Amino acid sequence: QSALTQPASVSGSPGQSITISCTGTSNDIGDYDYVSWYQQPPGKAPKLMIYEVSNRPSGVPDRFSGSKSGNTASLTISGLQPEDEADYYCSSYRSNNNVVFGGGTKLTVL
Amino acid sequence: EVQLVESGGGLVQPGGSLRLSCAASGFTFRTNWMHWVRQAPGKGLVWVSSINSDGSSTNYADSVKGRFTISRDNTKNTLYLQMNSLRAEDTAIYYCAKVLVAAACDYWGQGTLVTVSS
Repeated sequence: QSALTQPASVSGSPGQSITISCTGTSNDIGDYDYVSWYQQPPGKAPKLMIYEVSNRPSGVPDRFSGSKSGNTASLTISGLQPEDEADYYCSSYRSNNNVVFGGGTKLTVL
Repeated sequence: EVQLVESGGGLVQPGGSLRLSCAASGFTFRTNWMHWVRQAPGKGLVWVSSINSDGSSTNYADSVKGRFTISRDNTKNTLYLQMNSLRAEDTAIYYCAKVLVAAACDYWGQGTLVTVSS
């Protein structure tokens, strides 16, 4: 069960926008609109930021947005803030009721 | 307030067994799918297993199939993970998580650490 592919790290300055990509296959991202994104600060549990490709749970700022094209999903954070610094993980539903995560991306706010 | 509290982690020798528990409160446990997700030290999140609301359907990652068993007791609002034939590569923090929809988990526990070592 191969993981989804994410860049190991991205960085940006406060106020800028960044995008994290997440590449899967036709068996997961390409075939289902069940992509989620999680934020995980060091030493803490993950927090759901985006579900079903582009939906935000209550309480998540609208600076966070999600999209998908083909086998690749993306998380965009606009108006970057220092508190956004964390690890970010994508996940997708995969056929036969499986779930797959990406390897994670470390976001550094310069 | 939704709470998920894992317990049962610890140090175990290779080949040994452990049973993790996850006590749920603050939501209608019996109507929700649940997941177990693990994270090896310094590594990423990895899905382990899922179970539907009444426990009649379970799914496992290939890496744990045949060794781990997920179950639930809806009368006790508790999720379980029975782990047998443990290997060093099973060393990780194990999180239980409440499913919002499909693969998305909206609440996570604080995790319980499992260390497999001689």
